[in-house]
Amino acid sequence: DGGITQSPKYLFRKEGQNVTLSCEQNLNHDAMYWYRQDPGQGLRLIYYSQIVNDFQKGDIAEGYSVSREKKESFPLTVTSAQKNPTAFYLCASRKNDRGNEQFFGPGTRLTVL
Amino acid sequence: DQQVKQNSPSLSVQEGRISILNCDYTNSMFDYFLWYKKYPAEGPTFLISISSIKDKNEDGRFTVFLNKSAKHLSLHIVPSQPGDSAVYFCAASGSNSGYALNFGKGTSLLVTP
Repeated sequence: DGGITQSPKYLFRKEGQNVTLSCEQNLNHDAMYWYRQDPGQGLRLIYYSQIVNDFQKGDIAEGYSVSREKKESFPLTVTSAQKNPTAFYLCASRKNDRGNEQFFGPGTRLTVL
Repeated sequence: DQQVKQNSPSLSVQEGRISILNCDYTNSMFDYFLWYKKYPAEGPTFLISISSIKDKNEDGRFTVFLNKSAKHLSLHIVPSQPGDSAVYFCAASGSNSGYALNFGKGTSLLVTP
């Protein structure tokens, strides 16, 4: 089955700790994206990557970092510099030559205690 | 600054009737518009999209209308079914930002039997 996987579904961390969220896709998509959703809000863009070894900051990149060493993988690190890290994190991917639809993973709920 | 706005947080419609969800945008660089359906704690599911060169796109019970001069789009669901009850997000993208999605805050649709 092709798709986007995010693990784990729920993640708990102590304040001050860095944590890395996983995102893997086997759709052969070129571009990958990270969004964050807070209660009652839409999704906001954290980072995106259109090709391997290249990525750009989104609207709320402060306190986050990413890497794109493989086409299939786009991990997101939430650092201790992120002031309000508790949120629902969503990863998405898109094929460059097939319209602009993005397909989303199931999300990771991060709670910082 | 919110570039995509959904001014109705909620909408209630009877089964079999038409549901109309509205969305406004401010950035004239957007050239692709999408609607997603979302359940709590899950990733959004792509519904339908429209390019800025068109004013209408239809897919089964779902039709999206785009009025570029008014910077307004709407999603029509006919006939509405109880299974359509969910939060619907409007999103817009442009080539100048890697087709990253700018989301509205969502409209919660309830279809009652």
